[in-house]
Amino acid sequence: AQSVTQLDSHVSVSEGTPVLLRCNYSSSYSPSLFWYVQHPNKGLQLLLKYTSAATLVKGINGFEAEFKKSETSFHLTKPSAHMSDAAEYFCALHMTGTASKLTFGTGTRLQVTL
Amino acid sequence: EAGVTQFPSHSVIEKGQTVTLRCDPISGHDNLYWYRRVMGKEIKFLLHFVKESKQDESGMPNNRFLAERTGGTYSTLKVQPAELEDSGVYFCASSKQGVETQYFGPGTRLLVL
Repeated sequence: AQSVTQLDSHVSVSEGTPVLLRCNYSSSYSPSLFWYVQHPNKGLQLLLKYTSAATLVKGINGFEAEFKKSETSFHLTKPSAHMSDAAEYFCALHMTGTASKLTFGTGTRLQVTL
Repeated sequence: EAGVTQFPSHSVIEKGQTVTLRCDPISGHDNLYWYRRVMGKEIKFLLHFVKESKQDESGMPNNRFLAERTGGTYSTLKVQPAELEDSGVYFCASSKQGVETQYFGPGTRLLVL
C-alpha cells in the first residue's frame, strides 16, 4: 500500500521569502514522485517529478524538490516566493516505470502576502 | 499541441438526475485516467483506460458510475442517478504509452443539490 502525507494544509509566506511545502510518503515499492500545482479555476499543472535519477529535481518557476529516501520525504522549496505562486500544491506518487494510478496528498494551499 | 480538455466545466444537477462528463485526452495518449476530489479531501483515482480497455477500475465508488472510451479516443463518465456525495471536481488525465507523466485537464465541477 502507498500513501502521501502533506504535513501542512495551509502555508503563508511573505513575498520574497523562502517557500517550504512538506511531503512524506509511504510506499512498498520504488516510487516516482510528483508535485502538481493548481491555480484557482485551473487544472493541475506538473511542477516537477522524481523518477529515480538525480535526487534533487528542478522544476518550473524556480521550484525544486529533494528526494530523501532515508526520511521518506519529497519536500518542495523555492528560494523566493512571488505573488503568482499563490495556489494549491499537490504531492503525488506512483510505482516507478509503470502507467499506474497516482496517489495524492490532501494538498497544501500556499498564500503569499506583501 | 492541445492539452487535455474536459466538458462541461461546471454542472449543477438535482439528486436523482443523470450527468455525463466528457474528457478529450492529448492526441496520441493511450492512457486515460479519471480522478475525483471531494471538497477538502485528497484527489482520488477512479479508473484507468489503456486505449479502449479498462486497465484498472478499482477506484470507482459504485455501479452508479459508468465510464466508457469507445474507439480509444475521448472518454465519458456517466453518473446515474446522482447523489449528494457525488459532488466534487472530476479530473481527467492522459499519458503516452510507456511514459509516467500524467497531464491533467481543468476538471469538471459537479454540484448535486
